Amino acid sequence: KAGVTQTPRYLIKTRGQQVTLSCSPISGHRSVSWYQQTPGQGLQFLFEYFSETQRNKGNFPGRFSGRQFSNSRSEMNVSTLELGDSALYLCASSPTGERTGELFFGEGSRLTVL
Amino acid sequence: DAKTTQPPSMDCAEGRAANLPCNHSTISGNEYVYWYRQIHSQGPQYIIHGLKNNETNEMASLIITEDRKSSTLILPHATLRDTAVYYCIVRVEDDFGNEKLTFGTGTRLTIIP
Repeated sequence: KAGVTQTPRYLIKTRGQQVTLSCSPISGHRSVSWYQQTPGQGLQFLFEYFSETQRNKGNFPGRFSGRQFSNSRSEMNVSTLELGDSALYLCASSPTGERTGELFFGEGSRLTVL
Repeated sequence: DAKTTQPPSMDCAEGRAANLPCNHSTISGNEYVYWYRQIHSQGPQYIIHGLKNNETNEMASLIITEDRKSSTLILPHATLRDTAVYYCIVRVEDDFGNEKLTFGTGTRLTIIP
């Protein structure tokens, strides 16, 4: 069974640009969550999608957005990039969408903003 | 706003049991404790979770105190591959009824040959 797949794995952008990251969950998983990881702030929750609906949202500005498609694949977008957006962006999927259960993480997309 | 407290780092000799403590003194009655680990440059990996009973799986054991204010993750026979950052997490519900995993800073466990 394939794991969670995130693309691209690495990317470099400049300030002011926007970026879209993609996540393909494990087949059959309907819940997808996004996290940002930086050395200073650690792992921080961005948002969670279940059945194409955003169910939970963390404390990030509106520049950070996401969506989920009918096949459960998810994308997140960051507009007007800032230097502080440089981070590892992790996607995780969950089989049931229930509020208990393990998360399966991808390898992440490492974004560098210059 | 993490609800867990862990020591920042620990060492353990290879082959010995690694005992990683976690305090979660404000845990609510229906909140689960989860443990994940993250090996350098990889995504976090689920280890185990529990509510109030001790749990064991092929990777580890989780011991939760009777008052549920703390727990210990036990890796029974640590190997070099267990070197990682270990996160103890309580699934938090905010004022709006949203639930999320709040990871905190974790414990960096180093297995010594």
